This record gives sequence, C-alpha cells and structure tokens, in this order.
Amino acid sequence: KNEVEQSPQNLTAQEGEFITINCSYSVGISALHWLQQHPGGGIVSLFMLSSGKKKHGRLIATINIQEKHSSLHITASHPRDSAVYICAGPTNTGNQFYFGTGTSLTVIP
Amino acid sequence: KAGVTQTPRYLIKTRGQQVTLSCSPISGHRSVSWYQQTPGQGLQFLFEYFSETQRNKGNFPGRFSGRQFSNSRSEMNVSTLELGDSALYLCASSTEVPYGELFFGEGSRLTVL
Repeated sequence: KNEVEQSPQNLTAQEGEFITINCSYSVGISALHWLQQHPGGGIVSLFMLSSGKKKHGRLIATINIQEKHSSLHITASHPRDSAVYICAGPTNTGNQFYFGTGTSLTVIP
Repeated sequence: KAGVTQTPRYLIKTRGQQVTLSCSPISGHRSVSWYQQTPGQGLQFLFEYFSETQRNKGNFPGRFSGRQFSNSRSEMNVSTLELGDSALYLCASSTEVPYGELFFGEGSRLTVL
C-alpha cells in the first residue's frame, strides 16, 4: 500500500470544466506539496501547504490535516493544464519523502 | 535568477560502470534533495543535503551516494550500474529546512545498457 494515494489516476476534461484531484496519505506529513510535470520531465512546484487553503490564479489547494487529505482544484480548465499532477510530502521527522503516483490530466479544447 | 542546473542532461552507460551527476542549486538555497523517477516506481526520494551534511536518505542501496560542497552544489554517484538504474534523476533545491518550496532541475536522464 502506498503511503500517498491519489485519485483519479487519469482524468479527461473538456476545456472550461472544474477539475478536482484528490490526495490521501497514511503517514504524518509535515507539509503537502502539489507538483506539476509536463511531458519531457520538468517538474514545477504549484503549492506547499500545511493547513487551510491556498490559491494561485485558477488553481486552489486545500488540506485537512486531521483527515490526512488534500485536494487540488483547477477552475476553468484549459488545454495548457494538461500534465501530470503529483502530491508529495516529507514525513514529520523529515527522514522520508513520499510521492503519490500522479494524476494524468488531459484537457480537450 | 538562474534556476536549478543539472548536468549532464543525458547519458548512456553500461552495466558495471559508475556515474556522477551534478546539481547546482539556486543561489542562496542551502538544501538540495535528489529523486529517481522511473515508469514503474514513479518518483522516489534518494537523499537530502543541507550545509554539506546528508540529513536524510531514502531506501536505496549503498551504491547510491552523494555529497554537497560548501557552495551548495551537490553531486550524486551511482556505482556498479544495473539495468534498473535507468531513470530520470531529478534534484531540487529549497531555502528552508526541511523541504521548503522545491525548485526542480530538468533532470539527468540515465540509460544503462
């Protein structure tokens, strides 16, 4: 069983749709990272959060520490949002860093 | 401000050889962490350095090692390469301790034949 689970694994949406990607973790994580990886490999950090909610443009990330759950929302999705989205985080002790398996998002024009 | 630079970007080695990969962090960043990405296992944590000290290490065999220099540049080394070591190796730097906002390099893609 993975310490960090994401759902769905694959997601296809029409341009303009509201998208939600979920992340659940079974270990104590000090801060949850949401990462975006485009084809070709480059990874960009979207958010790092340890409580509450953060917003950047059309992206919103929320986290519930007690429930060990985080969500990434994309409003008004666009084809350029097509990428793999990965949640990840270090354990509270920092001695390990766990990654979800990723959600592959395709936004169709 | 220059981003995280990894070299080389691509390399091909044969089984049994060793390889050294380099990572230059963003200026002012003191934490460098390394990750392996494969199609089968996804992203996995290798190790993390801060101020020349390895503070954390993932579940990889001793063939995987690394170091960090006084200018925060980091290298990782894989000895006695195996076919399964073929992967994209990514490093990330951050200012904070531990694991602040991560800034990733483009990665070094290693192919072992």
